[in-house]
Amino acid sequence: KAGVTQTPRYLIKTRGQQVTLSCSPISGHRSVSWYQQTPGQGLQFLFEYFSETQRNKGNFPGRFSGRQFSNSRSEMNVSTLELGDSALYLCASSPGGAGEETQYFGPGTRLLVL
Amino acid sequence: GESVGLHLPTLSVQEGDNSIINCAYSNSASDYFIWYKQESGKGPQFIIDIRSNMDKRQGQRVTVLLNKTVKHLSLQIAATQPGDSAVYFCAENRGPGNQFYFGTGTSLTVIP
Repeated sequence: KAGVTQTPRYLIKTRGQQVTLSCSPISGHRSVSWYQQTPGQGLQFLFEYFSETQRNKGNFPGRFSGRQFSNSRSEMNVSTLELGDSALYLCASSPGGAGEETQYFGPGTRLLVL
Repeated sequence: GESVGLHLPTLSVQEGDNSIINCAYSNSASDYFIWYKQESGKGPQFIIDIRSNMDKRQGQRVTVLLNKTVKHLSLQIAATQPGDSAVYFCAENRGPGNQFYFGTGTSLTVIP
């Protein structure tokens, strides 16, 4: 099976802009989770989507949002970008059912905010 | 201003020796744990997992130990190889569903 894919791999934006990142899960996986990784804060959980619904949410401001489509692909949006949003954004997928939490990561999208 | 990064514990081992990486988790209700390996420029790679109803699980060259009493996980790597050099993270799931929280990571360097 193909692994988790993320697009784009690299992105440069300026403060105040918005950005949309995309994630395609492993075939058959219905859960997609998003994480932010920075040198200062490490790997932090943003949110999880399962069957097109947000099932879990981390402690991030409302500028960070996401959605999931019927084919399980997911997008994450960050509005009104700040310098501190520069990070590696990772998505991970899992089958998502009870006892099926094993999640696998994609390569990430590296976002630089200038 | 100056950015301050996380202090990443480091471990250096000789090739062929065994490595032990430790992790403390915070939520006593967490019932599922995963160890990941992350190489520079890549996403975390699944190594091994364990559920809270177990205290030990073995894979190929790796063993995970879970001590729920003190909320501690360890990853043992046997016969460490240069290709094992990476940052290792433990992750605890605070579900239901997927809601993983990660430790700060340990940087492992294998000396040939």
